[in-house]
Amino acid sequence: GDSVTQMEGPVTLSEEAFLTINCTYTATGYPSLFWYVQYPGEGLQLLLKATKADDKGSNKGFEATYRKETTSFHLEKGSVQVSDSAVYFCALSSLGGSQGNLIFGKGTKLSVKP
Amino acid sequence: NAGVTQTPKFQVLKTGQSMTLQCAQDMNHEYMSWYRQDPGMGLRLIHYSVGAGITDQGEVPNGYNVSRSTTEDFPLRLLSAAPSQTSVYFCASSYTRTGGNYGYTFGSGTRLTVV
Repeated sequence: GDSVTQMEGPVTLSEEAFLTINCTYTATGYPSLFWYVQYPGEGLQLLLKATKADDKGSNKGFEATYRKETTSFHLEKGSVQVSDSAVYFCALSSLGGSQGNLIFGKGTKLSVKP
Repeated sequence: NAGVTQTPKFQVLKTGQSMTLQCAQDMNHEYMSWYRQDPGMGLRLIHYSVGAGITDQGEVPNGYNVSRSTTEDFPLRLLSAAPSQTSVYFCASSYTRTGGNYGYTFGSGTRLTVV
């Protein structure tokens, strides 16, 4: 079935460091790919998305490129801030295996130190 | 605009008790779903609905029941609580199953402990 694998956390960085969180997927058909963010004590919020190969999603300085050849959707940010501390979830939606419902990875906790 | 409202925020149940987690949205979203979040497991889909009167099972439906009599409400019922159902439960809604341009809107969660 469809699945999402993302790098284990936690990830601890200093402010202004470069961030990469790896995400790979397995899906039937042509999935849409998403990154969601969960701040402490809150529900998840959509951070960015990409719906087809080579699309780049971007928001709030974060970006991710849909790579069909490597089945990947890695999240990057050039300079993280303390306010970026949160849990990040990679997710996919495919009309094949998941019938369109979102399937989430296990999440990666990011802590940014001043 | 309240978004997605979940009640209660916290609940402690004894094994075997039943309860209903409430979820309401005021965005006229057709799609609603319930997820549970467990440490190291991410979010797993319990049940979902694509419109009033239509529900279906997700990845982990056992021990849970849902109904969708109105567009706004999508309650989740625990029939006979078990310690394995200790988790944080999130309700989410969207215009479409895939989330469209705005993604899912999530509630703030219900933290359930079964003792």
